[in-house]
Amino acid sequence: SAVISQKPSRDICQRGTSLTIQCQVDSQVTMMFWYRQQPGQSLTLIATANQGSEATYESGFVIDKFPISRPNLTFSTLTVSNMSPEDSSIYLCSVAATSGYTFGSGTRLTVV
Amino acid sequence: GQNIDQPTEMTATEGAIVQINCTYQTSGFNGLFWYQQHAGEAPTFLSYNVLDGLEEKGRFSSFLSRSKGYSYLLLKELQMKDSASYLCAAPRDSGYALNFGKGTSLLVTP
Repeated sequence: SAVISQKPSRDICQRGTSLTIQCQVDSQVTMMFWYRQQPGQSLTLIATANQGSEATYESGFVIDKFPISRPNLTFSTLTVSNMSPEDSSIYLCSVAATSGYTFGSGTRLTVV
Repeated sequence: GQNIDQPTEMTATEGAIVQINCTYQTSGFNGLFWYQQHAGEAPTFLSYNVLDGLEEKGRFSSFLSRSKGYSYLLLKELQMKDSASYLCAAPRDSGYALNFGKGTSLLVTP
C-alpha cells in the first residue's frame, strides 16, 4: 500500500497565523483527501485535492480558510489560515489507491 | 447523503469476544471499511467488505449484510492493546472519499 509522509507531526501556533501541512506519497495516486479530526470526534472530510485544478471543498469548508495545493500526483499541502483556537485539531491526509485507503500520521495543531 | 451509525463506547474483558455494530444508509454501495485508531495515531486498515458474509482475518472478523445496511466487527481473544477507537466507513455516494461513523471507543479491562 501507499506510504505517506506527513509533516509537521505537531505544532503550537499563535492565533491569526497560518500553518502549512505537507503530505508526500511514495507513489503516484489520483485521489488525495484532507480530513480534520477534532478532539474525541471522528474524521470529517475537508476537501478532495485535485491535481492540476482547484480542490473540491465540503460544506462548511472554504478555500480562503483552507487553501490546498496539489502540484503533482505525489504531493499536496493544506494551509490552515488565520488560525483561531477553534482550529485546534488533528489534520490528516489520505490517499485512495488500488490497495485501499491509507492515512498520513496526522498533524496535531494547537492554536493559542 | 450517507448516515453511518455505531455505538459510542463499549467495554469488554481481556480474553473475551466483542462485536461492534455499524448501520449505514447510502444510495449507492461501494463497500464497507473498518479502521482501528489508537489515541494520537492515524487510522489503520482492518477490513473491507463488499459482498455479503463474514470475512475472517485472524482475531478480527467483519460481517456485511447489504440488504440490511448492516456490518459488524468481531474481535476475539481480546487483548489490552485492542483498546482503541474503531471506525466504520464507506465511500461517499459521489467521489471517492470515505465517510466515517463517529467511531466506537473500546475499552478492554483486565
